[in-house]
Amino acid sequence: DVKVTQSSRYLVKRTGEKVFLECVQDMDHENMFWYRQDPGLGLRLIYFSYDVKMKEKGDIPEGYSVSREKKERFSLILESASTNQTSMYLCASSTAGVQREQYFGPGTRLTVT
Amino acid sequence: EDQVTQSPEALRLQEGESSSLNCSYTVSGLRGLFWYRQDPGKGPEFLFTLYSAGEEKEKERLKATLTKKESFLHITAPKPEDSATYLCAVHYTGRRALTFGSGTRLQVQP
Repeated sequence: DVKVTQSSRYLVKRTGEKVFLECVQDMDHENMFWYRQDPGLGLRLIYFSYDVKMKEKGDIPEGYSVSREKKERFSLILESASTNQTSMYLCASSTAGVQREQYFGPGTRLTVT
Repeated sequence: EDQVTQSPEALRLQEGESSSLNCSYTVSGLRGLFWYRQDPGKGPEFLFTLYSAGEEKEKERLKATLTKKESFLHITAPKPEDSATYLCAVHYTGRRALTFGSGTRLQVQP
């Protein structure tokens, strides 16, 4: 079974803090993705990576950065957290070729106060 | 503009009452349409991929179909454990990632 794990299920941070969200997959997938999910807006792509050290901006990259130093790990960084970044963050992975299905982690519910 | 639209936003069924969820898309160059199920507080779980108009996939009480403009997720004789949010997503030419709809929240009452 594909397994995608995320470092925290719930996280509470203060405005201005630097926040790291970690994602690890165990299926040797080439592609990894970060989404945020908000009521009524669906899943919106923040960043994705198709190879180690490679990344591409998604639809809403502002305020975020990413790092992929190893194939199995993809990190999302909020350089200076703001209250409008309070959301559910979901990581996903897939084999090469975007038309392949994506497998999701359990999500991190981030609250910025 | 919306490229993937799901309807209805919410649906309440009685156990055994069959129905369909709709996912319409306005993208060109469709390369795949995906259905996911998401339980509260969890990540989406993959259900089906459809690649071309006329294709159908089935899994237990669920059947997904695809036309050139939309996809349906048919739920036959649903049970309370089918209650979840169902998401569809498309992959189309010119975009490397999936585009998701907002989902249909399904509640099946015993």
